[in-house]
Amino acid sequence: SAVISQKPSRDICQRGTSLTIQCQVDSQVTMMFWYRQQPGQSLTLIATANQGSEATYESGFVIDKFPISRPNLTFSTLTVSNMSPEDSSIYLCSVRDLNTEAFFGQGTRLTVV
Amino acid sequence: DQQVKQNSPSLSVQEGRISILNCDYTNSMFDYFLWYKKYPAEGPTFLISISSIKDKNEDGRFTVFLNKSAKHLSLHIVPSQPGDSAVYFCAASANHNAGNMLTFGGGTRLMVKP
Repeated sequence: SAVISQKPSRDICQRGTSLTIQCQVDSQVTMMFWYRQQPGQSLTLIATANQGSEATYESGFVIDKFPISRPNLTFSTLTVSNMSPEDSSIYLCSVRDLNTEAFFGQGTRLTVV
Repeated sequence: DQQVKQNSPSLSVQEGRISILNCDYTNSMFDYFLWYKKYPAEGPTFLISISSIKDKNEDGRFTVFLNKSAKHLSLHIVPSQPGDSAVYFCAASANHNAGNMLTFGGGTRLMVKP
């Protein structure tokens, strides 16, 4: 299994600002994923971040709004840009390597006011 | 279009009894299915999984059943304990061996009463 440290665990932000969420893994992994869980909803994949290439975004998510960095095999960041109250969600980092289960960080609870 | 559905948003069970959580899917390309448990303020925790070549997988108090023809899977917890109270998500992936993304159901909140 992988141990994932995600920070911050929670934040309250003003609309129009940006927040960068960090995800650190205790081992090298090929694939990292960023999910969003809106209140009362399921987990929705935002993008897949592979080291050495640009992130692949799911329908409804764009790089300008959610830029992602993946500088090495143990670290990634997700930025929520120009925030609005609709961005209030839990953001989760996940890792999954070949033939393994997916593991999650503890999540970042974001509230935009 | 929801490819993975959990039609029961909540379930209440007495301690010691069996909890049965259900999940349906529509994508016939899914070949691997997983269940996750999520407590408030924590990330989802992996519970148990099953490959499409099997119809049952058991791990302690947790058993997952897969009915491919019906595109249905279920998680049985027996005996249920108060500490099992959490939100349970089923998830599916296609081409699991390539480490592809997971598609999640909407979750079922399980409450186990002492």
